[in-house]
Amino acid sequence: DTGVSQDPRHKITKRGQNVTFRCDPISEHNRLYWYRQTLGQGPEFLTYFQNEAQLEKSRLLSDRFSAERPKGSFSTLEIQRTEQGDSAMYLCASSPLGGNTEAFFGQGTRLTVV
Amino acid sequence: AQRVTQPEKLLSVFKGAPVELKCNYSYSGSPELFWYVQYSRQRLQLLLRHISRESIKGFTADLNKGETSFHLKKPFAQEEDSAMYYCALMPNFNKFYFGSGTKLNVKP
Repeated sequence: DTGVSQDPRHKITKRGQNVTFRCDPISEHNRLYWYRQTLGQGPEFLTYFQNEAQLEKSRLLSDRFSAERPKGSFSTLEIQRTEQGDSAMYLCASSPLGGNTEAFFGQGTRLTVV
Repeated sequence: AQRVTQPEKLLSVFKGAPVELKCNYSYSGSPELFWYVQYSRQRLQLLLRHISRESIKGFTADLNKGETSFHLKKPFAQEEDSAMYYCALMPNFNKFYFGSGTKLNVKP
C-alpha cells in the first residue's frame, strides 16, 4: 500500500499520559495535514506542514499538542497530559503542492483516553 | 469565516431512486469545493471536485454561487453508494474545511 499510513491504528491510554502518533505521507507530497474527527462530526483541521515548515495551527490545538515534520517526510503528533476530551480519530492527509489538489487520507489513529 | 453546512445527518432512499445530498458553504472568495466519501471500514477518499466538472460513479455536483451551494446528485442510487459523504471547502489553496457529513443509506 503506497498510500498515507498512520501508526498506531488504535491507542488506549490513561488520562494524564503522553501519546505520540506517526504519519507517513505519500512520497514526494509536500503538504501534510493533521485533522481530528469526533463521533458525528466531520474532520476538524488541526495543523499543516509544507515540507518541514508548520504553516498553520488551529486554535483547537492547545499547548498540550505539538506536531513535527523534521525532514519534510514523516510527521509526528504528540499529545501531552491526555484528557478524556482528547478521545477521537486523528487523521493525517498529504497532498502535492498546487491549488485545488486532492488530499489523500490515512486510515487514522483512534485514541481512547480512559 | 469559512464554514460548510450539511443539513442532513442521514438520508435513506430506495435503490434506483434519485438522491441529492445538500451542501452549503460560507466563503467570500472564489471557492474550491470537493466531495469526499468514506465507505464502511475504508479511508476518506475524494469523490469529485467542482473544478473538474466530472461525473464519478454517476455522481455530479454543481456549484451555485448565488445560493452558495454544492449539492451532490445521482439520478439512480445503488446499494454500493451507501457511505458517509463529506462536503469540503478549500479556501486559498491551503487547508480543507469539512462539513459534518451525511450518511447515505440505499435500501434494496
